Amino acid sequence: ETGVTQSPTHLIKTRGQQVTLRCSSQSGHNTVSWYQQALGQGPQFIFQYYREEENGRGNFPPRFSGLQFPNYSSELNVNALELDDSALYLCASSPQAANTEAFFGQGTRLTVV
Amino acid sequence: AQSVTQLDSQVPVFEEAPVELRCNYSSSVSVYLFWYVQYPNQGLQLLLKYLSGSTLVESINGFEAEFNKSQTSFHLRKPSVHISDTAEYFCAVSDPGGYNKLIFGAGTRLAVHP
Repeated sequence: ETGVTQSPTHLIKTRGQQVTLRCSSQSGHNTVSWYQQALGQGPQFIFQYYREEENGRGNFPPRFSGLQFPNYSSELNVNALELDDSALYLCASSPQAANTEAFFGQGTRLTVV
Repeated sequence: AQSVTQLDSQVPVFEEAPVELRCNYSSSVSVYLFWYVQYPNQGLQLLLKYLSGSTLVESINGFEAEFNKSQTSFHLRKPSVHISDTAEYFCAVSDPGGYNKLIFGAGTRLAVHP
C-alpha cells in the first residue's frame, strides 16, 4: 500500500507566475485536502475534493484552484503568485469525506521570488 | 468558529524527563481532536486522536493525551522523552458533523537535550 505522494518536492517561481502542484492519494482514499503551511505556522486549510468535486474551501482567494481526477489524484493550481504564497503545501488523503484520520504527504516547498 | 491555541511555542526538556504540551480549543459544537508530529523537512504524521469514548488516548510510542471537555483542553504528555522525540507538534480539531477539515494550532517545538 503506497502512501500519499506529492510532486515536486521543491519549486522556485517568480512573482506573477502560475504553479501546479500534484498529489497522489493513498490507495483506497477518495478524499483529498490541501493545506498551506507558512514558515513557523500551523497548516491552513485551502480546500477539499471528494469524488472529483470541491467539498469545502477555506479562506483563500479564487486564484487558488484545484482538480481531482477519476483515480482520486489531485492538483493544486495557484495563479498570479505572490511573495506571501511561499510556503510548504501539504496534501492529505482520507478514506472518505467524513471525519476520520487524514494521511499527509511530505509536502511541496514553494518559494516565490 | 473553531480555533486551537497551543500555549507554548517552544518546550526545551532534558532526555528522560517528563513533558506536557498544552492545547486548548474553542468550539460551540462537539469536536474531534488530534495531535500530529512533524519532523524536519517532512509532512505531518498522526500521533493520536480522540473521536469518542475514553477521554484518555495513547500512541504506540508512549505519548498520551486526555480530552477535558469542561476545560476544552487536549494536552499531550509523555513520562520520559527521548532525543528522537525532538520535532514540531501540532494540535488540531475538526467538526464531526462536517467534512474532514482540520484546524491546526501554531505548533509547539519540542527540543530534547542530552
